Amino acid sequence: GENVEQHPSTLSVQEGDSAVIKCTYSDSASNYFPWYKQELGKRPQLIIDIRSNVGEKKDQRIAVTLNKTAKHFSLHITETQPEDSAVYFCAAITGGATNKLIFGTGTLLAVQP
Amino acid sequence: GAGVSQSPSNKVTEKGKDVELRCDPISGHTALYWYRQSLGQGLEFLIYFQGNSAPDKSGLPSDRFSAERTGGSVSTLTIQRTQQEDSAVYLCASSSPGTRSTGELFFGEGSRLTVL
Repeated sequence: GENVEQHPSTLSVQEGDSAVIKCTYSDSASNYFPWYKQELGKRPQLIIDIRSNVGEKKDQRIAVTLNKTAKHFSLHITETQPEDSAVYFCAAITGGATNKLIFGTGTLLAVQP
Repeated sequence: GAGVSQSPSNKVTEKGKDVELRCDPISGHTALYWYRQSLGQGLEFLIYFQGNSAPDKSGLPSDRFSAERTGGSVSTLTIQRTQQEDSAVYLCASSSPGTRSTGELFFGEGSRLTVL
């Protein structure tokens, strides 16, 4: 089955700097890669996603890149702000019959003011 | 309802007791997931229901765990003979046919289970 690895597990940056979180996946049939943000004590929420026919997608200060050959994808946050502090999860939807969503282990991002 | 509803929000039980956790997905959503999140940990996949298809139970950690989804709507996750390592937040999520291809999940607030 699909396995999603994510790193780093924790990341601390200064306000205004950029943050990059990387994930790799194992199932070459995976075709959809979302990113979720979970603020402390709250539920995870989708912030951006990318499909396997697209190499890069941007939404204001966040962007995702996908390299299908290498089976890895990344989240980039520019001009970080304290409110970006949260746990970020990457995920991949498996190919095959069930199409279930498997998450990475999460990255705790701390933006220092 | 407006969102995914889970109950109870908090459950404290004694080791060896059975517990039931309920999830009421967004109306019309055919896909329903259960995940487990231990303190400071990631989202561990447990089980996935999609429409009338047989559920994908590949993530259930032991035969003490089971889940059902009645009428394609409400789901119940049952943990029998609870153990202390079952303590975690159990999150339910659903997605709609229109967004299934996008995979966007809408999560509930979770049920926090504490096994003493």
